[in-house]
Amino acid sequence: AQSVTQPDIHITVSEGASLELRCNYSYGATPYLFWYVQSPGQGLQLLLKYFSGDTLVQGIKGFEAEFKRSQSSFNLRKPSVHWSDAAEYFCAVGGTGTASKLTFGTGTRLQVTL
Amino acid sequence: DVKVTQSSRYLVKRTGEKVFLECVQDMDHENMFWYRQDPGLGLRLIYFSYDVKMKEKGDIPEGYSVSREKKERFSLILESASTNQTSMYLCASSFVGGGGKTQYFGPGTRLLVL
Repeated sequence: AQSVTQPDIHITVSEGASLELRCNYSYGATPYLFWYVQSPGQGLQLLLKYFSGDTLVQGIKGFEAEFKRSQSSFNLRKPSVHWSDAAEYFCAVGGTGTASKLTFGTGTRLQVTL
Repeated sequence: DVKVTQSSRYLVKRTGEKVFLECVQDMDHENMFWYRQDPGLGLRLIYFSYDVKMKEKGDIPEGYSVSREKKERFSLILESASTNQTSMYLCASSFVGGGGKTQYFGPGTRLLVL
């Protein structure tokens, strides 16, 4: 069975500082990996996704993530955080044999201090 | 852009009432999903549908049913609402095909059962 772990429940960074949110997954083959962002009271918006090819993927809002098969990780990064990045971030994994279902992590809440 | 809409943003119901949550997508997606989101638990899949009149149970189907009579519409039904069904409900859709695991989310319905 596939699973996702986001070890950090809550992270606080200063505006302008760099950010890395951790995601570890469990899946037997090459996974489909996603990062979504959720602003308060809103639905989830896709930030970026990895299916195959280049292991460093670029997303919207200046975010990027790197797929590391050896570490079963797909960490999300941003070089300089803006106050508007404060939100909850979800990592998700899907596989070829799972009928388009995704499994989500429990989320990391990002707080940005000015 | 993909648009997924949910019939209500906020809903207050009483214990024992029958509750309908509706979701509509405008991109002719084959797959549709219902999740509930609770603090610390992330997103948990209730039901999904991969075609009209087809449905499969997710991880937490107890107390819920679904209906998909038209491709664009997927309804979640709480047959007899209970206080432990107070939650945020998110609908999503995706297409079948290359990269088809990307799910697009609606804004969510926050349900309070008194």
